[in-house]
Amino acid sequence: GQNIDQPTEMTATEGAIVQINCTYQTSGFNGLFWYQQHAGEAPTFLSYNVLDGLEEKGRFSSFLSRSKGYSYLLLKELQMKDSASYLCAVRDSNYQLIWGAGTKLIIKP
Amino acid sequence: IAGITQAPTSQILAAGRRMTLRCTQDMRHNAMYWYRQDLGLGLRLIHYSNTAGTTGKGEVPDGYSVSRANTDDFPLTLASAVPSQTSVYFCASSVKGSTDTQYFGPGTRLTVL
Repeated sequence: GQNIDQPTEMTATEGAIVQINCTYQTSGFNGLFWYQQHAGEAPTFLSYNVLDGLEEKGRFSSFLSRSKGYSYLLLKELQMKDSASYLCAVRDSNYQLIWGAGTKLIIKP
Repeated sequence: IAGITQAPTSQILAAGRRMTLRCTQDMRHNAMYWYRQDLGLGLRLIHYSNTAGTTGKGEVPDGYSVSRANTDDFPLTLASAVPSQTSVYFCASSVKGSTDTQYFGPGTRLTVL
């Protein structure tokens, strides 16, 4: 079966750095997405990786290793507004998105 | 309108009733999707449409139907609601079928009693 694993919850301190990991086992791979979802709101797109390596976008970076079935989202200079769930999704061989359950990130002052 | 809208925002429904959730986008995206989101689970695809006039089944299609008469609208119908369909429903769209980033509507919170 297809599976996306992420930690359920993480806690970090304002101003610090946090890394949210995602491992996947899917039938084929055609890209990996990270989305942010604040409580009670819709998911919003953060990043997309299809080749191995690091993609940097401001305070957020995303890394992919296809051989390891692994990705991480790195958030720097954490702000209180970064408190949200972070969803990892993999596009499979049918070009459908398979979603992880999400990681709830709690930021403490 | 800017982006994707969904209606209603929330709804409480008696089991056995018929319900249509509405989704409209003004971005001229080709593809549209319906997901449900349940606590502790990832988003699960119910139905999708890669272009107007075509639809396909996702991971959890049973009990749901969709239509895509035009580019902008993609309604989801529950023919006879059951309590297990209590969930938050998100509509999404993307530019070029399933190859592009999906953008989500604000969601509909549905409770079936």
